[in-house]
Amino acid sequence: DAGVIQSPRHEVTEMGQEVTLRCKLISGHNSLFWYRQTMMRGLELLIYFNNNVPIDDSGMPEDRFSAKMPNASFSTLKIQPSEPRDSAVYFCASSLRGGRSPLHFGNGTRLTVT
Amino acid sequence: TQLLEQSPQFLSIQEGENLTVYCNSSSVFSSLQWYRQEPGEGPVLLVTVVTGGEVKKLKRLTFQFGDARKDSSLHITAAQPGDTGLYLCAGLLPNSGGSNYKLTFGKGTLLTVNP
Repeated sequence: DAGVIQSPRHEVTEMGQEVTLRCKLISGHNSLFWYRQTMMRGLELLIYFNNNVPIDDSGMPEDRFSAKMPNASFSTLKIQPSEPRDSAVYFCASSLRGGRSPLHFGNGTRLTVT
Repeated sequence: TQLLEQSPQFLSIQEGENLTVYCNSSSVFSSLQWYRQEPGEGPVLLVTVVTGGEVKKLKRLTFQFGDARKDSSLHITAAQPGDTGLYLCAGLLPNSGGSNYKLTFGKGTLLTVNP
């Protein structure tokens, strides 16, 4: 099993540009989480999906952020337009059954917005 | 406001020493998980504790869940350089509907074990 795969590993972009982060879940997992990690705030839950349906998006900072699951194995997180304060490491994680099952994290995307 | 408070934030010790890190909250959790994160990688699950008062051991690591299920501790005996990393606790709260569960992380304790 390849684990959760995120791409790109690093992204550097200018303020105002659109950024798309990608995540491939572990086969058979039906829950998907997007987290953001910074030194100041730690790991913050942005959104989570269960069976491709967004269950809780209360952590999404504002309308500039959107997330989709076009199928059971893939998700995207889009920021448009990006701002310097969006700079962080973005993780996705999958699990069998929501937060009740262990979360398997990808290795993250380090986003820098200049 | 952080739902889960971890202490200390930073800890630097010598190989062979013992240490304890803490995870505290005013909320009651269904369960609590501990993860370790190394630089450039995502967190990896170490253990899940479910029952109040539960103690679990993983080699030199001992995890305890508080009786009231509001806090937890991680004790490492005879620390080794390979134990270096960010230790995160994560509490499981039921959402308002009760059928889905939200995992909330503390900010972590960054442990450095010097040879």
